[in-house]
This record gives sequence, C-alpha cells and structure tokens, in this order.
Amino acid sequence: DIQMTQSPSTLSASVGDRVTITCRASQSISYWLAWYQQKPGKAPKLLIYKASTLQIGVPSRFSGSGSGTEFTLTISNLQPDDFATYYCQQYNTYYTFGQGTKLEIK
Amino acid sequence: EVQLSQSGGGSVQPGGSLRLSCEASGFGFSSYAMSWVRQAPGKGLEWVSSISGSEPTTFYTDSVKGRFTISRDNSKSMVFLEMSSLRAEDTAVYYCTKEPYSSVENWFDSWGQGTLVTVSS
Repeated sequence: DIQMTQSPSTLSASVGDRVTITCRASQSISYWLAWYQQKPGKAPKLLIYKASTLQIGVPSRFSGSGSGTEFTLTISNLQPDDFATYYCQQYNTYYTFGQGTKLEIK
Repeated sequence: EVQLSQSGGGSVQPGGSLRLSCEASGFGFSSYAMSWVRQAPGKGLEWVSSISGSEPTTFYTDSVKGRFTISRDNSKSMVFLEMSSLRAEDTAVYYCTKEPYSSVENWFDSWGQGTLVTVSS
C-alpha cells in the first residue's frame, strides 16, 4: 500500500501570508496527486489534481507542484476563507489520503 | 450543476447492516466512476470503495472486503453501499463521490453532503 505523509500537521499563519504544505508518498506516484480543502462539518472540496492542475473555480492563489514522491500545496496571500484542513490524495494505486494539515489563524 | 444527494445511514448495533444511497444529477451518470469515502469522528479521510462506469467493476479497501458491497443503478443515476457485519470502527461520516472518468483511480471532483453511520451497542 502507498502511504501518504503530510507536514506539518498544524500550521499557524496570518491573513496575507504565503504558506506551503508538503505531502510525501512512500513510493513514486508520478503526478497522480490531488489536494482538497475541508471546513468543519462540510464535505471536502477539490482544489488541485494531477499535482498542479487547478480545479475550475478555485482561486489562483492556490498552486501545486511536485512529482514522484514529493509534492507541495502553496497558498499565496492567505484569505480568511482559506483557514481549513487540507488533504493530499494519491490515485496512482487505488486511493490513499494524507493525514491532513490544519491551517489555523495566528 | 453536479449534485450528489445522500440518504440512509443512522445508528446500528455491532454486527448489523445498513444501506447507503446516493442519487446523482447534473451529469451523464453511467459514464463516470463513483466512490465512497469515509471520515471517522475527528479523523482524516479514508477511501472505502469504488465502482467503474458502464460494465461496472468494483474495488474495496481491505478492511471492508467481504462485508460491504458497492453497486449502481445507471437507469436511476444511483449508487449504493450495502454494509453488513458492521463494527464500531466503521463509525464515520460516509461521503458519496464522483470521479472524472468511467475508469477508477482518479481524483474526486464532486462530493455528497455526507451521512453519519454510528455503530454502537
């Protein structure tokens, strides 16, 4: 099974900051990686797929990069609406999610 | 607009059974794979099961194999998850999700509202 490890688990930042979340795969997954945003009590929302392709309607301050085993989600110019939990997901072999990164207001 | 409307769920005793339903609208249902993803209280996301589009093939995470059955009715644009021999560790919010292609192993581009399944005596 492919394991996905996100870091950090919790991230404190302020409005206007630029933050980066890292996701590492236990083996190469090429660019078969997606990122989701989840707010309390709500279903996750797709942000990025194929490691760097922005889903329609997602603000351009979100960006993704990486391939193989290391990936990053970057959020530039943090907005109040961005404080949430973020998950990566591999779909190279079945599906595995990272454990999540909670982005908190500093 | 893609909509996934879930029903079913609730409380059940260990060893019991439950059926989750998901009604889809806003897209050509039979052409897309569908999946179930769950989230235990306060925990992360876990893939449960997937079913491909036409001529469906099914896939399961190891912990539910032999206990859960995913199926679809393309004539009604619905996907189901039949759960039996339920355990306390199956307690979670279950989400119905849509994939972008008929084959499986993709990202989840749309999600249902979620339904809570509680397994407790």
